[in-house]
Amino acid sequence: EVQLLESGGDLVQPGGSLRLSCAASGFSFSNYDLTWVRQAPGKGLEWVSDITGGDGNTYYADSVKGRFTISRDNSKNTLYLQMNSLRAEDTAVYYCARVPRGWYYFDYWGQGTLVTVSS
Amino acid sequence: EIVLTQSPGTLSLSPGERATLSCRASQSVSSNYLAWYHHKPGQAPRLLIYGTSTRATGIPDRFSGSGSGTDFTLTISRLEPEDFAVYYCQQYGRSPWTFGQGTKVEIK
Repeated sequence: EVQLLESGGDLVQPGGSLRLSCAASGFSFSNYDLTWVRQAPGKGLEWVSDITGGDGNTYYADSVKGRFTISRDNSKNTLYLQMNSLRAEDTAVYYCARVPRGWYYFDYWGQGTLVTVSS
Repeated sequence: EIVLTQSPGTLSLSPGERATLSCRASQSVSSNYLAWYHHKPGQAPRLLIYGTSTRATGIPDRFSGSGSGTDFTLTISRLEPEDFAVYYCQQYGRSPWTFGQGTKVEIK
């Protein structure tokens, strides 16, 4: 059974940093691209970042480019999102999700972790 | 980027009724790369449909997708209690991948 479990969400001050983790199980982790999607309070879903499975190429939404870094540790079956220079508008539930074989819809999702940016 | 507009914002229906949800794109969606998701608060979103009309693994056949170009539809033939949720469309034909703002299907 494919499972994705996010952790690391917290309350952080504007300008601060946070690292999210997503522990995966039930599939061959290194063979799949992975993504982060977020949902701000009362809003819809917003794609944040992708990382490819094989060579680890990364892609970012303009809203987070230069501030967020996606990475993965294939030996630990874990996906990460390093978030720096956090802003109030980054407040959201962050979901990790799996990309099935290079087609960028998302077939399995975690339950999300809440990041709150506030003073 | 491709903007997806979903309508209606809220659909009030009774169990057993038919639901028709619309997703309109600001530009043609390449190769009909359009997906639909079901989402309840506090839960993981669930993939329903990809490639406009292909049901994901384990999705019952009361869910169907159709459309092409800029106009897409998700139809739920007979609503079950677990179907009352928010539904999102998503295009993956052109980066950045974008979602609609959602349609809430609520119990009337």
